[in-house]
Amino acid sequence: SQTIHQWPATLVQPVGSPLSLECTVEGTSNPNLYWYRQAAGRGLQLLFYSVGIGQISSEVPQNLSASRPQDRQFILSSKKLLLSDSGFYLCAWSFGHNTGELFFGEGSRLTVL
Amino acid sequence: KNQVEQSPQSLIILEGKNCTLQCNYTVSPFSNLRWYKQDTGRGPVSLTIMTFSENTKSNGRYTATLDADTKQSSLHITASQLSDSASYICVVSEILYKYIFGTGTRLKVLA
Repeated sequence: SQTIHQWPATLVQPVGSPLSLECTVEGTSNPNLYWYRQAAGRGLQLLFYSVGIGQISSEVPQNLSASRPQDRQFILSSKKLLLSDSGFYLCAWSFGHNTGELFFGEGSRLTVL
Repeated sequence: KNQVEQSPQSLIILEGKNCTLQCNYTVSPFSNLRWYKQDTGRGPVSLTIMTFSENTKSNGRYTATLDADTKQSSLHITASQLSDSASYICVVSEILYKYIFGTGTRLKVLA
């Protein structure tokens, strides 16, 4: 069976510090990978998606970047965090052949102070 | 503009009662519609998926309906339990990697 792991679960960072959130998927190959951000009272906002190693599409201009160094690894990064980067970040994957079910990680709560 | 709107924003019901959540969408082209359940501080988990040709689909006490003509969907929860307390999110897929999320309905079930 497939599993998705996302870490860290919670993070408190000062403004201007770097960020690295990691996500790995097990039990499948060549998944589509996604990073979403969920602000309180708002729907999930797609930040990045990837259909293969090194292939990253950005949906929203921002202070963040994503990388996919391996088939089942997706990393969300920032060089300098802003207060507005605070939120709940969710990694997700889907099978690569259709717009099927999204399988979400447990999320990472980021607070920028 | 592709949008998914859900109502009500929040709902409080007593344990054992039924409830219905609504989802209206303007997404085009339409691939499928899913309902997700999200417990507080957790990732969403899929409850049902509806394609264009499906009208009703059940998953235990959860029943989803879809009217593709009016672009409306509903999620009916029967005999609610305390564990049903969560946010319920309607998600409509366009084509290829495009998912439009509603803002969710926050359900609270009281004993």
